[in-house]
Amino acid sequence: QVQLQESGPGLVKPSETLSLICTVSGGSISSYYWSWIRQPPGKGLEWIGYIYYSGSTNYNPSLKSRVTISLDTSKNHFSLNLSSVTAADTAVYYCARGRVPGGSWGQGTLVTVSS
Amino acid sequence: QSALTQPASVSGSPGQSITISCTGTSSDVGGYKYVSWYQQHPGKAPKLMIYEVSNRPSGVPDRFSGSKSGNTASLTISGLQAEDEADYYCSSYTSSNTAVFGGGTKLTVL
Repeated sequence: QVQLQESGPGLVKPSETLSLICTVSGGSISSYYWSWIRQPPGKGLEWIGYIYYSGSTNYNPSLKSRVTISLDTSKNHFSLNLSSVTAADTAVYYCARGRVPGGSWGQGTLVTVSS
Repeated sequence: QSALTQPASVSGSPGQSITISCTGTSSDVGGYKYVSWYQQHPGKAPKLMIYEVSNRPSGVPDRFSGSKSGNTASLTISGLQAEDEADYYCSSYTSSNTAVFGGGTKLTVL
């Protein structure tokens, strides 16, 4: 059973770049689609984007100008960068396997945007 | 892209059946078989309950079932149990090669 684990700073200053890593264990990242999803406190899920093992990506149009997702097959992980963050980007960020997220999710990591 | 439309809340008594709807368009729910449903308990990551409209992952009770008609997908839970109380989300693949979630439905077991 593949497992995913998010890691990164829990606090980011406004206007800076939020950077997270999702480490995949129990399976190779060199197959499947891999996604990022977020959930602001008390609100619903929002799909951020995905990367295919080939490196192709696609993003939520509402975030596209600020989002970059990349992967590192040598480290079996993929990453999320979200630039120019504001308080509205405060959320629990999840990584998951699948273009439409499937049965494998990380536990989530809370990122707070505050000075 | 607009979020899929779900009722904000539904409720039912133990043993009863409830259905949660998820309405989109022909560019997402209506156009593809890639509709999924997730259960989320407070403070926990979402758990996949249904994939590709009506398929249950291993370990999900057969009390949970999914269907689709036109642009609306539905999740039905029969024989409602106390542990089913949670938030439920639908998601769909879209014609833009992206994914979209519903706004979520809070299920209360009375």
